[in-house]
This record gives sequence, structure tokens and C-alpha cells, in this order.
Amino acid sequence: EAGVTQFPSHSVIEKGQTVTLRCDPISGHDNLYWYRRVMGKEIKFLLHFVKESKQDESGMPNNRFLAERTGGTYSTLKVQPAELEDSGVYFCASRKGVAGGSYNEQFFGPGTRLTVL
Amino acid sequence: AQSVTQPDIHITVSEGASLELRCNYSYGATPYLFWYVQSPGQGLQLLLKYFSGDTLVQGIKGFEAEFKRSQSSFNLRKPSVHWSDAAEYFCAVGARSNDYKLSFGAGTTVTVRA
Repeated sequence: EAGVTQFPSHSVIEKGQTVTLRCDPISGHDNLYWYRRVMGKEIKFLLHFVKESKQDESGMPNNRFLAERTGGTYSTLKVQPAELEDSGVYFCASRKGVAGGSYNEQFFGPGTRLTVL
Repeated sequence: AQSVTQPDIHITVSEGASLELRCNYSYGATPYLFWYVQSPGQGLQLLLKYFSGDTLVQGIKGFEAEFKRSQSSFNLRKPSVHWSDAAEYFCAVGARSNDYKLSFGAGTTVTVRA
């Protein structure tokens, strides 16, 4: 079974440009999470999808960030326009939903390292 | 609000020596606690988790962690470190009420010397 994949692995862009990050969750996983780690800081939650719906986007830093999950499969995270402080590693994780809300593991992708110059 | 503190940014340990990584959490109820490891070029891998019950939990790769409610701690240990344990380790807390979104500590980088 394939794990969570993220594309690209590394992106270098100029300030003011647009970048789109993609996450492909494990097949059948309804829950998809985005996290971000700014250099030297902790990994922080950005948002959570259940299927195609945004369940919680309380961690999104501002309206330059737009996340979508059309059809409830893969997700994209667009940053437009990118600023210097957006540099960091963006992680995606997926989790299979369980009836009754019991826990099961979040599986993480390798991350996308974004550098804004 | 939930939060996690990992006091040690970097630890160097000799191969074969024991390792302990510290983690303190803040959460209003009984938390779900996790330790993840990230090796270079890899995603975060779950080492172990604690929900309830026995406060000493065993994980993969020979790691264990102990939940101490009175100290709000969940320290990770390994009796004998292997060179392949060199990585970055993250403590995290989650809750069912938050759909298990995780709050992470800043991470501890472990260097293993021969």
C-alpha cells in the first residue's frame, strides 16, 4: 500500500509568486491534515479535511493560503502571493475515519520544503 | 488549549548508551500523547502513543515512554541507542474532541556518536 505522497519535494520561488503544493493521501483515508514547520519552530496545524469538506481551518495563517480537496481525494495548498515568512516544510497527513470516532493513526508524508526568496 | 514543550533542542549520545528525551504537555483533560520520529528525507513515523491504561507504553524500534500525570510529562526512553536512531524526535498531543489534530513540540535532534 502506497503511503502519503507530496509533490514537489522542494520548491524555490520568488516573493510574490504563486506556489501550489499537492498531497495524495492513502487511498480510503477520509481525513486529511496539513501542517507546517517554519525553521526552528514547532510543527503547527493548518487545517483538516473530512472528505472534501473543511472540518477545521483554524490554523491557516491568512487569506493568502487556499486549500482544496476536490472529490475528497488529493488535496492542494496554494500560497498566493508567497511571502518570505511562508518558507518552511509543509507536511500532509491522512487518517482513516473510524465509526464512533475512535483513534487510528495519522500517516505523514515526507513534506514539501518551500523556500521563498 | 493544548501545547507541548520539548526542553532539549539537541542531544548527543554514544552508541550503546541510554537515551531519554523529555516532553511536557499542557492540556485540560486526559490527552492523547504521541512520539514521532523523522529521519532525513522521510516523513514523520509514529513511535508510540498513549491514550489510557498502563502508563508505560512500548513502541517500535525498542522505544518506550512513560506517562506521568502529576508531572504532565511523557518522556521517551531507549536503553541502548543504535546509530540508526540518529533523527529528530517530536512529542505531540491530540484529542478526540479536536479530531486528533496534533500539537507538536519543537523537536529534539539526536546525534549518535560511535
